[in-house]
Amino acid sequence: GENVEQHPSTLSVQEGDSAVIKCTYSDSASNYFPWYKQELGKRPQLIIDIRSNVGEKKDQRIAVTLNKTAKHFSLHITETQPEDSAVYFCAASYGGYQKVTFGTGTKLQVIP
Amino acid sequence: GAVVSQHPSRVICKSGTSVKIECRSLDFQATTMFWYRQFPKQSLMLMATSNEGSKATYEQGVEKDKFLINHASLTLSTLTVTSAHPEDSSFYICSAGGEGTGNTIYFGEGSWLTVV
Repeated sequence: GENVEQHPSTLSVQEGDSAVIKCTYSDSASNYFPWYKQELGKRPQLIIDIRSNVGEKKDQRIAVTLNKTAKHFSLHITETQPEDSAVYFCAASYGGYQKVTFGTGTKLQVIP
Repeated sequence: GAVVSQHPSRVICKSGTSVKIECRSLDFQATTMFWYRQFPKQSLMLMATSNEGSKATYEQGVEKDKFLINHASLTLSTLTVTSAHPEDSSFYICSAGGEGTGNTIYFGEGSWLTVV
């Protein structure tokens, strides 16, 4: 089955700096890569996703890149704000709403 | 985006009893629903996949007789934790997807289960 690794497990940045979270996946058949933000005790919120036919996608301060050959994808948050502090999960799946395998999570702390 | 509702949000039960958690898709037909368990400071671990009208597919290490999953309609799946024990205390969360969601998965609010 799919295996998703995520690094780093914790990340502290100063407000205004950029944050980068990296993930690798094992199943070359995976074609959908969502990123979720989860605050303590709440449901994961989809913040951005990318499909395998696209190499990069951007939404305001958030961008995701995908390297299919290397089987890794990254989340980039620019101009970080304190409200960006949360746990971020990458994920991979085949077929969209099929089984999603999550990474281990990155706790992002943005220091004011 | 699509709405997935989960109930109850918090439940406390006595050891040895059973508790049922419901997951509903409110504005789309959920072909597939997933149940996850999340322990504090850990990732979401898939427990099982349920498809409407068929038996759930459980992940390795998940006891199907302990975690009963029913997906009787395209809008409702239930997870019943039977003979609950304190070690079953966790955050349980469902997700659902279907053609009506543009192939995106949406999560329920999650349910905090505490077994005392």
